[in-house]
Amino acid sequence: QVQLQESGPGLVKPSDTLSLTCTVSGASISGSYYYWGWIRQPPGKGLEWIGSIYYSGSTYYNPSLKSRVTISVDPSKNQFSLKLSSVTAADTAVYHCVKHVGDYDRSLEYFQYWGRGTLVTVSS
Amino acid sequence: QSALTQPASVSGSPGQSITISCTGTSSDIGAYNYVSWYQQHPGKAPKVLIYDVTNRPSGISNRFSGSKSGDAASLTISGLQAEDEADYYCSSFSGSSTPVLFGGGTKVTVL
Repeated sequence: QVQLQESGPGLVKPSDTLSLTCTVSGASISGSYYYWGWIRQPPGKGLEWIGSIYYSGSTYYNPSLKSRVTISVDPSKNQFSLKLSSVTAADTAVYHCVKHVGDYDRSLEYFQYWGRGTLVTVSS
Repeated sequence: QSALTQPASVSGSPGQSITISCTGTSSDIGAYNYVSWYQQHPGKAPKVLIYDVTNRPSGISNRFSGSKSGDAASLTISGLQAEDEADYYCSSFSGSSTPVLFGGGTKVTVL
């Protein structure tokens, strides 16, 4: 059974960088035909895809966040990470890490497994 | 405003069937068979119900079914049960600048 667990600070100051790590168990982060991604959900609102990364480092980002987002992968630890810079209150959300099924450089299909999510609040 | 359009709410009585629509464009739903649907109960992570338009993952009830016609997709829940009361989201791969799109979500109420 694949499990994903988010970790990182629950409170970030405005203008700082939000950093989260996702630890994967039950699957190799270096596997084929899937990516690893991040999705967020502001309180009471819908889902927003942030971006996804293949184990080789190839990334897809949401253009609305691309200038502030970096997703990286660490196969040696079976982890991947999210960094979101220059945060504001609008970045307050539950952040989920996901296993994202897709064909390398051709398609992003569906989110097969989800972490439980971690609430990150941006406030001074 | 979400890229894919869903009704804000749908309701039905136990045992009935309901359908949730998800409208996109010729660049996303109309162009690819990569539509997926997710169920989210309050305080929980979303769970995939349907992928690649019509496929159900192992363990998902056959009361849930998906379809697509043109630029729109649909999720049908048959034999509605109290446990189906949740939020539902559609998603699609897109050939536009944003490769992954979500709908705004539909709240399903079981009367």
